[in-house]
Amino acid sequence: DIQMTQSPSSLSASVGDRVTITCRASQSISRYLNWYQQKPGKAPKVLIYVASSLQSGVPSRFSGSGSGTNFTLTISSLQPEDFATYYCQQGFRTPRTFGQGTRVDSK
Amino acid sequence: EVQLLESGGGLVQPGGSLRLTCAASGFTFSSHWMSWVRQTPGKGLEWVANIQQDGSEKNYVDSVKGRFTISRDNAKKSMYLQMNSLRVEDTAVYYCARDDYGGNGHFDYWGQGTLVAVSS
Repeated sequence: DIQMTQSPSSLSASVGDRVTITCRASQSISRYLNWYQQKPGKAPKVLIYVASSLQSGVPSRFSGSGSGTNFTLTISSLQPEDFATYYCQQGFRTPRTFGQGTRVDSK
Repeated sequence: EVQLLESGGGLVQPGGSLRLTCAASGFTFSSHWMSWVRQTPGKGLEWVANIQQDGSEKNYVDSVKGRFTISRDNAKKSMYLQMNSLRVEDTAVYYCARDDYGGNGHFDYWGQGTLVAVSS
């Protein structure tokens, strides 16, 4: 199985900050890397798919980059509604696997 | 509007069985792979199983192989997860998720989840 490792596990930031979360795959997954946002009590919501494609309706302050084994999710200017947990997920091979999550909270 | 609605969760004893249902609406159900994904506080998000559009191909995570069975009824726009020989470690919120049409391997719509609690 492909292991997905996110860092950091949590971070504290302020509104307006630039936030970067990284995700590393245990083997190359080309660009089949997706990012989700999850708020308490809600289902995950896809933000970015195939590494850098913005899901329809997602604000442009979210962006993704990377290929192979190393990927990044960037929030260019953190907004109050962005405090949440973020997960990466590989879509390269079954079983699909997720990172352990990165919790973004208010500093 | 795409909607996925799970049902069938509840409290069950170890060794017991449950059948989850995902009712879909707002899209052509028969055109999409569908998945079950579960979430526990300790292990985060875990993909459980998926099923091809016509039900001919099914895949499972190793931890549920031989115990869980995924199926679908395209006429009823529904997907199912039959869970047998349940273990305490199967306790989780179970989500129904739609695989994206383009085959990129992401889940573009999710249900609200149904809680399965396995405990004596």
